[in-house]
Amino acid sequence: GQSLEQPSEVTAVEGAIVQINCTYQTSGFYGLSWYQQHDGGAPTFLSYNGLDGLEETGRFSSFLSRSDSYGYLLLQELQMKDSASYFCAVRDSAGKSTFGDGTTLTVKP
Amino acid sequence: IAGITQAPTSQILAAGRRMTLRCTQDMRHNAMYWYRQDLGLGLRLIHYSNTAGTTGKGEVPDGYSVSRANTDDFPLTLASAVPSQTSVYFCASSDSRGGAGTGELFFGEGSRLTVL
Repeated sequence: GQSLEQPSEVTAVEGAIVQINCTYQTSGFYGLSWYQQHDGGAPTFLSYNGLDGLEETGRFSSFLSRSDSYGYLLLQELQMKDSASYFCAVRDSAGKSTFGDGTTLTVKP
Repeated sequence: IAGITQAPTSQILAAGRRMTLRCTQDMRHNAMYWYRQDLGLGLRLIHYSNTAGTTGKGEVPDGYSVSRANTDDFPLTLASAVPSQTSVYFCASSDSRGGAGTGELFFGEGSRLTVL
């Protein structure tokens, strides 16, 4: 089976940089994804790492180290609207995704 | 562009009743999924379908059944609802072809189910 660990809460101030870590134990690992969810609404896709290294998409970056079973999501130039829950998800070779319990990010003025 | 449409958006149900949550997508994605999300937790996979005519069990399949008669529709049925099935149910789809690509999941807005 799959299991993922990520911090339950993170707090940062507007304009700062925050990193949300994710460690996983899995079989049949294919890639690591990140999703954002506002107020219990529909989760939305942020990024995907299938290979080791850094993927950058605007203010968001995601990193993966397959040998360490570890990844992180980096959010730069934080804005109030970034306050949300962030989920890492492991994708297996069958295409199924298993989610962590999420990290609640609170951005303060 | 509608994407994923779920119905109903919310429902209160008596224990023991049968309930079907509907999910329709208009993106012609081959794969579809049902997740449940309990308060403060992540999403747990109930059932999935990689293509029309096939289904598979996820992490928490007990008490639920699905069917995939065509590409667009993926209903989830609770045969006899119990209070522990109180949750928010999200349907999702992806253009997943044997693991190729990012496997990005597109989610519906969720169906909030309360079983009393």
